[in-house]
Amino acid sequence: AQKITQTQPGMFVQEKEAVTLDCTYDTSDQSYGLFWYKQPSSGEMIFLIYQGSYDEQNATEGRYSLNFQKARKSANLVISASQLGDSAMYFCAMREGYAGANSKLTFGKGITLSVRP
Amino acid sequence: DAGVIQSPRHEVTEMGQEVTLRCKPISGHDYLFWYRQTMMRGLELLIYFNNNVPIDDSGMPEDRFSAKMPNASFSTLKIQPSEPRDSAVYFCASSYGGSPSYEQYFGPGTRLTVT
Repeated sequence: AQKITQTQPGMFVQEKEAVTLDCTYDTSDQSYGLFWYKQPSSGEMIFLIYQGSYDEQNATEGRYSLNFQKARKSANLVISASQLGDSAMYFCAMREGYAGANSKLTFGKGITLSVRP
Repeated sequence: DAGVIQSPRHEVTEMGQEVTLRCKPISGHDYLFWYRQTMMRGLELLIYFNNNVPIDDSGMPEDRFSAKMPNASFSTLKIQPSEPRDSAVYFCASSYGGSPSYEQYFGPGTRLTVT
C-alpha cells in the first residue's frame, strides 16, 4: 500500500480564493510527522508546514494551514487567499516513528495547482 | 543565511562516464539527505547521513552509486559508470536534529542527463 496518497490530478483555483489539497497517509506508528512541500516550475523544493501526530492543534504558517484528521489519516493543505505565485506542484510527505530514530521522508506523487487571475 | 548549495546545477555526460555531484548543507545541520526525482518514480530517498555517518542507504539503486560525507560541510554522490536511466534531478537536503520537526531544507538540485 502506498504510504502517501495524493489523488487529485490537477487543481485550479481563482486568485484570492481558498483551495484544499488532499493527502491521505498510511502508517501503523503512533508517532509520525507530516510535511507539505512546494515545488514551483523553477524546480526547488520549499518546505511549507509540519504537523506532528501528537499535535492537538492544526498547524498554521501564514496563508497555509494543515487540516489534520488523525482518525481518517488525512493531512490536507489549505491555502487561503491564493496568489499567482502559488501555482506549483505540492507534495505531501511523512516521517514514520520518532524523528530521532528515523529521519526518512516518504513523499506522495504530488498535486499540480494552477491559480487563475 | 545560505541555503543548501549543490553543484553543478546541470550535468550532461555520456554513458559510461563517472559523475560526481556535490552538496554543502546548511551550517549547523547534522542530517544530510540525497534524493532523486524522476517523472516515473517521483521523489525517492537514496541515502542519508547523521553527523557524517551513513545511516540508511537502502535507496541506493545499485553498486554504481556511492555517497560520502567526509566532513559536516560537504558531501558527494558519485555514479560510476553512468547510464541513461540515471538521468534525473538529484536533490540534496539537510535538517537539524534539534528542531522538533526535523524539517528538511532542499538545495536547488542537479539536473543530470546521461546520453
